[in-house]
Amino acid sequence: KQEVTQIPAALSVPEGENLVLNCSFTDSAIYNLQWFRQDPGKGLTSLLLIQSSQREQTSGRLNASLDKSSGRSTLYIAASQPGDSATYLCAVTSGSRLTFGEGTQLTVNP
Amino acid sequence: EAQVTQNPRYLITVTGKKLTVTCSQNMNHEYMSWYRQDPGLGLRQIYYSMNVEVTDKGDVPEGYKVSRKEKRNFPLILESPSPNQTSLYFCASSLGGLLYNEQFFGPGTRLTVL
Repeated sequence: KQEVTQIPAALSVPEGENLVLNCSFTDSAIYNLQWFRQDPGKGLTSLLLIQSSQREQTSGRLNASLDKSSGRSTLYIAASQPGDSATYLCAVTSGSRLTFGEGTQLTVNP
Repeated sequence: EAQVTQNPRYLITVTGKKLTVTCSQNMNHEYMSWYRQDPGLGLRQIYYSMNVEVTDKGDVPEGYKVSRKEKRNFPLILESPSPNQTSLYFCASSLGGLLYNEQFFGPGTRLTVL
């Protein structure tokens, strides 16, 4: 059974800092990995989707990498802003299922 | 605007009273699914549907039913809700199947069963 772990569970940084969120998964037989953002009391917003054949994806200040063989992905956020404060979730597709990690709660302090 | 909508957004009910949470998408997506989110357990899949009249169980299907009579709608039915079904529920959809495509989520339905 696929298991997804995100470290750290919470992170607090000053504005302007570059940061890395980590995601690991136990079964490397995945089709893709997706990073989401969740604001308190809100739904999930898709940030980046990486197919299993890809190594990274970029969108603005966000860069996600995927190392399928080692079961790891990172989300890099450059020049963080208070508006980036949210919970970040990674999810992997394997078989017919989408399995989520529990998320990293990010706080960016002005 | 392309979106996934859920209704109601908030619901308080009592044990045993049947309820339905609706989900609708306007993107002509084939794949739709339901998740529940609980503290310490994360998001877990309840049911999914690959297309009209095709549904299958996810990781936590007990106590839930679904139907997919139309492509755009995927209601979640709780025939006899219990307090352990108190949770935040999300509907999601994607073009084609789950394998290659981005998932779009609804805003969530917060359900409390007393």
